[in-house]
Amino acid sequence: DAKTTQPTSMDCAEGRAANLPCNHSTISGNEYVYWYRQIHSQGPQYIIHGLKNNETNEMASLIITEDRKSSTLILPHATLRDTAVYYCIVPPDSSYKLIFGSGTRLLVRP
Amino acid sequence: GAGVSQSPSNKVTEKGKDVELRCDPISGHTALYWYRQSLGQGLEFLIYFQGNSAPDKSGLPSDRFSAERTGGSVSTLTIQRTQQEDSAVYLCASSFGAGRVRKQYFGPGTRLTVT
Repeated sequence: DAKTTQPTSMDCAEGRAANLPCNHSTISGNEYVYWYRQIHSQGPQYIIHGLKNNETNEMASLIITEDRKSSTLILPHATLRDTAVYYCIVPPDSSYKLIFGSGTRLLVRP
Repeated sequence: GAGVSQSPSNKVTEKGKDVELRCDPISGHTALYWYRQSLGQGLEFLIYFQGNSAPDKSGLPSDRFSAERTGGSVSTLTIQRTQQEDSAVYLCASSFGAGRVRKQYFGPGTRLTVT
């Protein structure tokens, strides 16, 4: 499995962009990068995923470096409701299960 | 549309009793997963269903744990002779297929407390 490394915690001000980094230096060519988040007392929620190209959806943007060894999840205008634990996951190509690490605890300050 | 639902939302049971936890996946989702999250811990994979078959039960912690899925839809996770270490939030997720795209939709979970 490609190991991922994320900072334990981060904070940002409400209305500002939140940039959450993830290192996955052992990622292989066919493995995707997935981001999920877990708001307190809720089940995890899918945010976005990507392979090589940058991706954007209604929730966030995902920037993947050209060598694919790291990525950044961007929440362009963070709100208080974005306070959550954010997980960067790189499932093996042949696997179906998600392996959740410790994630990054993001606190959005008023 | 309706998301993944789980019942009960909370369950308190005495040590040694059996419990059943239910998961209703999103209609049409062929893959179903059970995870658990102990207090302050990360999510731990338990079992995966594709249709009614469970090709991977490797995450079940002991033979007291079992799960079944019927009609390619509802799944039940059963814990026999519960122990205090079984206390956790049990999460169910479903996805359309189980191929490369790992977009899983999670339910709200069942919080199990064993006294």
